[in-house]
Amino acid sequence: SSELTQDPAVSVALGQTVRITCQGDSLRSYYASWYQQKPRQAPVLVIYGQNKRPSGIPDRFSGSSSGNTASLTITGAQAEDEADYYCNSRDSSGNHFFGGGTKLTVL
Amino acid sequence: QVQLQASGPGLVKPSETLSLTCTVSGGSISSYYWSWIRQPPGKGLEWIGYIYFSGSTKYNPSLKSRVTISVDTSKNQFSLKLSSVTAADTAMYYCARDGVPGAPGWFDPWGQGTLVTVSS
Repeated sequence: SSELTQDPAVSVALGQTVRITCQGDSLRSYYASWYQQKPRQAPVLVIYGQNKRPSGIPDRFSGSSSGNTASLTITGAQAEDEADYYCNSRDSSGNHFFGGGTKLTVL
Repeated sequence: QVQLQASGPGLVKPSETLSLTCTVSGGSISSYYWSWIRQPPGKGLEWIGYIYFSGSTKYNPSLKSRVTISVDTSKNQFSLKLSSVTAADTAMYYCARDGVPGAPGWFDPWGQGTLVTVSS
């Protein structure tokens, strides 16, 4: 199935830990990648593969996966982490697809 | 470092064909997959399709009948054509490198995006 489900909105207190989840059958076979998008900016890759971070992404961002659920965890959320977060995966035919996105608010 | 820049008309009439080009700088288009992704105003991301530098393609099944992606390695560019557009095709269109050499996977880096409005 080529569907990924994300909670529309999540909030976290400044400095606390938040987990953003992504559910879908494809995640049993393929890793998710995660993207951060701030207003009026292009998305930025924050996690890919088995919990890999591109250069320049703070180590407070981490990824994990279990069964049909992938998670993006921000440990010690900062004000600048307030953004929309999207997961992405692929199906067995090689098609990519995105989750609907999660709006993260840092309180 | 690799940078991508999408360009093309910002306004397209209904039923016409949307045409965009993505120019890759700071690196070669060879060996990689390259994707187009769009985002309607206020909505989420939608993958449109990708092309390998050799010319092989894969398209989102929901758009497949209207999409053509091509590559010009001599210009380090790849292009998107979307036919028979309607207002539902109004979106920010992004281009992005896809995965690692020889294998699609994740999108990094992204171009800055170009807004296309479909209106008469």
